[in-house]
Formats: sequence, structure tokens, C-alpha cells
Amino acid sequence: SQQGEEDPQALSIQEGENATMNCSYKTSINNLQWYRQNSGRGLVHLILIRSNEREKHSGRLRVTLDTSKKSSSLLITASRAADTASYFCATPLIGTDKLIFGTGTRLQVFP
Amino acid sequence: ETGVTQTPRHLVMGMTNKKSLKCEQHLGHNAMYWYKQSAKKPLELMFVYNFKEQTENNSVPSRFSPECPNSSHLFLHLHTLQPEDSALYLCASSQGPDSNTGELFFGEGSRLTVL
Repeated sequence: SQQGEEDPQALSIQEGENATMNCSYKTSINNLQWYRQNSGRGLVHLILIRSNEREKHSGRLRVTLDTSKKSSSLLITASRAADTASYFCATPLIGTDKLIFGTGTRLQVFP
Repeated sequence: ETGVTQTPRHLVMGMTNKKSLKCEQHLGHNAMYWYKQSAKKPLELMFVYNFKEQTENNSVPSRFSPECPNSSHLFLHLHTLQPEDSALYLCASSQGPDSNTGELFFGEGSRLTVL
């Protein structure tokens, strides 16, 4: 079953602007992860935030987690054309071997 | 380079063919996964192996047959597939469910087209 849903489904911005993507999930989690996928390629892990954390930074990435609302956001600051990709949130189902992915946000950054 | 290698990268097969997808990880991980990614659908988990033992089979049709001979290699055997099975098949590995993170390392995928 689908665990996460990203919003928006697609986002187009100009270089230098910030991009914000949101993820909602359904069940209790111990962490939430964000991945990036270039077209037709494999997924690359970007950042992990634990359930007891509210915010985490990595370079130009900022992730927030609100467990009361079962939601997370990924902010990419000062975007670049090379950030063009699909971004997915993913949550491990506790007690299982499953990492369940959301539907993804397609980000297009125009030079 | 993620340390997970998938071959072939592209495969075209007829509905009566038998083919196999191969995945190899060089990360010393204990768990390996097959995911299916179809257009406009979320990634679908197909199979999970931990220490060579299958721990998840997500109601996958029997025309997909996984094999995990050791912790470093994972195969997906394909036979009598349907056109709707055309998709990107992604292999991934992780340290395993006890790693407390569950971070996955993906291969580049095998693009399968069934005619």
C-alpha cells in the first residue's frame, strides 16, 4: 500500500529560486528519507531525518519533520539546473524490511 | 557509482522469452531488494532478501522469480511476461533491517520492454 504522497506532483522554477516539496505519510515511523532520481536512473539517498528530529540540514537541503501532522518537507535553496530530477520521500514500515516510497515530485529548474 | 551494479541496463523481450536480470552489490550489505517502477506509479517493492533468505514477497506474479545465491548477488528471472510488465526494475541493497536507518543504495536499473 502507498505510504507517502508528495506534493506538488510537478514543480518548475528558475535557477536561484528555492524549491519546496512536501510529503505526507500514514503510519508511525522511526525515520523518513528523501531520495533523488534523475530521469531513467537509479535513486540516490539525499538525507534521513529521525522521528525525534524536527529539522535537518545538508548543504543546500533542509528537511523538516512534523510527526503530529505526519508530514515532511524538503527545501532546496538556490536551485541549479542540475537539481532537475524527481524527488521521493520514503519511510520504513516499522518491524518489516519494507521501505515504502511516495509518488514523487518532478522538479524542473530552468537556467 | 553507488556500489550496486545492474545488468543488463536495457532488455527487450517477447512474451514467450525467458531472461534474467542481475544485480551485484560491493558494499558488504546484508539485504537486497527488487523494486518495479512503472510510468506514473509509485515505486513498488517486489522482493526483499536478508542474509539470502526471502523475507518479503509483495504479491508478485509467479512469472517473476527471484534468486539470491549469496548476500552480494540477486537475480530476477523472467518468463512469459506481459506487455504491462514493461518498466524500470531497480535493485537496491542495505545493511539490513537492524541497521536502524534502512537507507537504500540503488543500482541504475534495468529498463525492460516486453513486446
